[in-house]
Amino acid sequence: KAGVTQTPRYLIKTRGQQVTLSCSPISGHRSVSWYQQTPGQGLQFLFEYFSETQRNKGNFPGRFSGRQFSNSRSEMNVSTLELGDSALYLCASSPGQAAGDTQYFGPGTRLTVL
Amino acid sequence: EDQVTQSPEALRLQEGESSSLNCSYTVSGLRGLFWYRQDPGKGPEFLFTLYSAGEEKEKERLKATLTKKESFLHITAPKPEDSATYLCAVEGGGADGLTFGKGTHLIIQP
Repeated sequence: KAGVTQTPRYLIKTRGQQVTLSCSPISGHRSVSWYQQTPGQGLQFLFEYFSETQRNKGNFPGRFSGRQFSNSRSEMNVSTLELGDSALYLCASSPGQAAGDTQYFGPGTRLTVL
Repeated sequence: EDQVTQSPEALRLQEGESSSLNCSYTVSGLRGLFWYRQDPGKGPEFLFTLYSAGEEKEKERLKATLTKKESFLHITAPKPEDSATYLCAVEGGGADGLTFGKGTHLIIQP
């Protein structure tokens, strides 16, 4: 079974721009979660989508948004980029049907904001 | 608010020298405790899921155990390829996704 894929793998943007990241989950998985990883804060939860609906949300500003499509693929958007948004953005998928489902991570998108 | 604390932050071992990594947690309604390993520049790789106190799981040189307050990842006779950052995460009863610890950076010297 193919794993979680994320595109692009690397991005360089400047302050004030916006960016869209894409995630394709493992086949059959309906839940997609997004995380931000930085050296200072570690891995932090952004939001989770299940069956095209946002099910959970972390403590991030409204500049961070996402959506999920009918094929379970998900996109994450960050508007008005700030220097502090530079991070590794990770997507994880799980079946999503039961509490405590294991989440499987993709390779991440490295975003650099100049 | 769920919290996860991992110790030590970094650990350097000789090849074959067994040790344990600690993950202490506070969570309301544990739904699952997860161990991942992460290599530089890559996404976390799943290792184990534990659901209840007393549960143990093994895979090759790794063994994970769980109590009501902490989890241990035991590494027996490690090899250099076991070098990585090991992450512990919990899923609680709230709508917060996974809460991760800062990780233990493990180096195994030949």
